[in-house]
Amino acid sequence: AQTVTQSQPEMSVQEAETVTLSCTYDTSESDYYLFWYKQPPSRQMILVIRQEAYKQQNATENRFSVNFQKAAKSFSLKISDSQLGDAAMYFCAYQGGKLIFGQGTELSVKP
Amino acid sequence: DTAVSQTPKYLVTQMGNDKSIKCEQNLGHDTMYWYKQDSKKFLKIMFSYNNKELIINETVPNRFSPKSPDKAHLNLHINSLELGDSAVYFCASSRESGLYNEQFFGPGTRLTVL
Repeated sequence: AQTVTQSQPEMSVQEAETVTLSCTYDTSESDYYLFWYKQPPSRQMILVIRQEAYKQQNATENRFSVNFQKAAKSFSLKISDSQLGDAAMYFCAYQGGKLIFGQGTELSVKP
Repeated sequence: DTAVSQTPKYLVTQMGNDKSIKCEQNLGHDTMYWYKQDSKKFLKIMFSYNNKELIINETVPNRFSPKSPDKAHLNLHINSLELGDSAVYFCASSRESGLYNEQFFGPGTRLTVL
């Protein structure tokens, strides 16, 4: 069975600095997708970035980028120039047949 | 224009009661889902319907019964509510089922069982 592990329950970053959230996963599949979702206090699940496993190039969306290491089964999220609005719970997720979430990392941003 | 809507947003009820949560999507998607987020924020899929047919049914107590009257609606009925059912329930939809179809989430329903 596939699993997703986020080993950092909480992270903190200074405004305008860079922070990296870690995620590892386990699968025997070769074709899958990986995601980072943001959940602010409003509860709404917001898709931040996606990565197709067959693509070697790391995905980037504005200040958000990933470091995808397929052999190591690692998928970290880098947030550059952190803003107060980035404070939220971040979930790493794996999609083979169904979407499987990690435990989440609570990110706080200090002004 | 709410893409995926859920009603109610908050639900407080007594143990033993039966309750329903409604979900509607106006995206024209074929597949809908129910997820449960527990008190530790862990999110897990419960059910998935594709064109009104059940395609994913995780290990969920049979007190939980999803019902899809049409493609745009997926309701969740919960019988004999227990304290452990307290959680946030999310509905989601995607264009199709299968390997990759971006899922759009509703705002969640916080269920509190007293």
